[in-house]
Amino acid sequence: DAGITQSPRYKITETGRQVTLMCHQTWSHSYMFWYRQDLGHGLRLIYYSAAADITDKGEVPDGYVVSRSKTENFPLTLESATRSQTSVYFCASSEWGGAEQFFGPGTRLTVL
Amino acid sequence: AQSVAQPEDQVNVAEGNPLTVKCTYSVSGNPYLFWYVQYPNRGLQFLLKYITGDNLVKGSYGFEAEFNKSQTSFHLKKPSALVSDSALYFCAVAPNDYKLSFGAGTTVTVRA
Repeated sequence: DAGITQSPRYKITETGRQVTLMCHQTWSHSYMFWYRQDLGHGLRLIYYSAAADITDKGEVPDGYVVSRSKTENFPLTLESATRSQTSVYFCASSEWGGAEQFFGPGTRLTVL
Repeated sequence: AQSVAQPEDQVNVAEGNPLTVKCTYSVSGNPYLFWYVQYPNRGLQFLLKYITGDNLVKGSYGFEAEFNKSQTSFHLKKPSALVSDSALYFCAVAPNDYKLSFGAGTTVTVRA
């Protein structure tokens, strides 16, 4: 099916563990983004990618790592999860920088 | 640095009445402005955007927004609200690139 998918949809982990959130899009969009959504903060950009092998930091990148070896995939890794990283994470993609972004369904991550 | 303010956490209207969701922004240069809507447990959906041109922008589901440069505002409007418009609405701004900054969101409740 065409679109943008995220996995897992729900994840519970413990402090200090490594966690990887997956994002896959079928449109061959150049740009991909990772956001976190927390009450009172709206969405905040973690990392973004303008093309395969090109990534850059957003507003809140500390504690996160991304890679983009293929255009369609943009995984987000929490190297050592902390409780402050408990959040809902959204992946998005767009054709070009100023175009509307298409969002995935989100991953609800709880760090105990 | 850019920022977005949505001064109202909640907006309540009766079905059939006009709906307005306010947004003001601060950004250098010519902004890209967006409105997104989020339904419960879903990702964000694009409503409309302003990049250049006519100050009145028409979008999905009967929504429109007016760009006001002197007041740095981009209020979302709908002439006649529906119960199905009840959702969380986000304004977002980017300074002529793709690094969106989102407002904290406004919860709209339309009562029958």
